[in-house]
Amino acid sequence: GQQVMQIPQYQHVQEGEDFTTYCNSSTTLSNIQWYKQRPGGHPVFLIQLVKSGEVKKQKRLTFQFGEAKKNSSLHITATQTTDVGTYFCAGPGWNYGGSQGNLIFGKGTKLSVKP
Amino acid sequence: SQTIHQWPATLVQPVGSPLSLECTVEGTSNPNLYWYRQAAGRGLQLLFYSVGIGQISSEVPQNLSASRPQDRQFILSSKKLLLSDSGFYLCAWSATASTDTQYFGPGTRLTVL
Repeated sequence: GQQVMQIPQYQHVQEGEDFTTYCNSSTTLSNIQWYKQRPGGHPVFLIQLVKSGEVKKQKRLTFQFGEAKKNSSLHITATQTTDVGTYFCAGPGWNYGGSQGNLIFGKGTKLSVKP
Repeated sequence: SQTIHQWPATLVQPVGSPLSLECTVEGTSNPNLYWYRQAAGRGLQLLFYSVGIGQISSEVPQNLSASRPQDRQFILSSKKLLLSDSGFYLCAWSATASTDTQYFGPGTRLTVL
């Protein structure tokens, strides 16, 4: 079935280092969404990318959507301890009839930052 | 603005006991509603989703069930809990389209002993 894969599963960085997580879909996506879950908290929506090759920035976070709309990345510049958490990507699934189904979430990348 | 509530926040239940978790959404009408389970340190597993009152779709067969008695109320139930039911249960809502952004509630942390 349709899959959304994320790598790496875990990433440990020193504060100030950069961090990147990658998301790959087995099918073309109409959009890709990114969520952040702080330890002990719930996932919170960060951003949605829709266009092929789209790049969006939120302060130190840079989000990219691949040209083929099958992959995406989240890059954090100069990580801070407040960046700690699990980052999930999610893309719409497809029903057997060809209509779009529910969001399929990747398994997430857990980021830890050492002060 | 829209808000989503879940209760209880934490629950410890013995094996074989029943379960009822409630989720309510405010500030929107006819939302899509979702129940997810997250095992410790793992990803999000979609359990049920609903596009309207009384309409429930199950993603994973198990001893859980869901109901939507009112437009903005979503309930997760079990008649007899198993040890494997332990986890973090998250309710979420989205606007009409199933591919819209999902907004998650604070979650219920369930421990089955």
